[in-house]
Amino acid sequence: LAKTTQPISMDSYEGQEVNITCSHNNIATNDYITWYQQFPSQGPRFIIQGYKTKVTNEVASLFIPADRKSSTLSLPRVSLSDTAVYYCLGGNSGNTPLVFGKGTRLSVIA
Amino acid sequence: GAVVSQHPSRVICKSGTSVKIECRSLDFQATTMFWYRQFPKQSLMLMATSNEGSKATYEQGVEKDKFLINHASLTLSTLTVTSAHPEDSSFYICSASGREGFRYFGPGTRLTVT
Repeated sequence: LAKTTQPISMDSYEGQEVNITCSHNNIATNDYITWYQQFPSQGPRFIIQGYKTKVTNEVASLFIPADRKSSTLSLPRVSLSDTAVYYCLGGNSGNTPLVFGKGTRLSVIA
Repeated sequence: GAVVSQHPSRVICKSGTSVKIECRSLDFQATTMFWYRQFPKQSLMLMATSNEGSKATYEQGVEKDKFLINHASLTLSTLTVTSAHPEDSSFYICSASGREGFRYFGPGTRLTVT
């Protein structure tokens, strides 16, 4: 199972772009990289998933370099409601469990 | 999109009693579900993997006789905390894999043991 390392916390002002980088040096060849968002007292919510290069959806972009040893979640123009903990995980689509790291606590300030 | 529900959302019980938490996949079948526990300000900690029709696989340090897991159907897994104690107070979250392989998480169950 891929071990991930992320910054413990980040602060940002509203309207700014936020980039959270995750290190996953031992990611397996068939692992995807998935990012989740968690608000207090709620279950994690899927944000985005990718294998390599760049993936974009309506809420975020995910950049994965060719060596796949890291990934960067990009949140454009954050708002106060984006204050949450963000987790990156490596895993495949099989029935192996996802193991959570410590995550990054993002605080968005007005 | 796929939805996973949990019931109850919060429960308070007395020390020594047992509590059952249900996890349901509402619009898909899940042969495998996962149970996590989360203490305040900490990350999710995997407790066990629940497989439909077979015994659960527990992570190291998780007592299988205390945390009973039953996965009797493709849409329901239950976690029973037996003889609960205050240190079992936590936020319990289940997860299930949908057909496309994405992992969906339930909203969580807040257990408070008094």
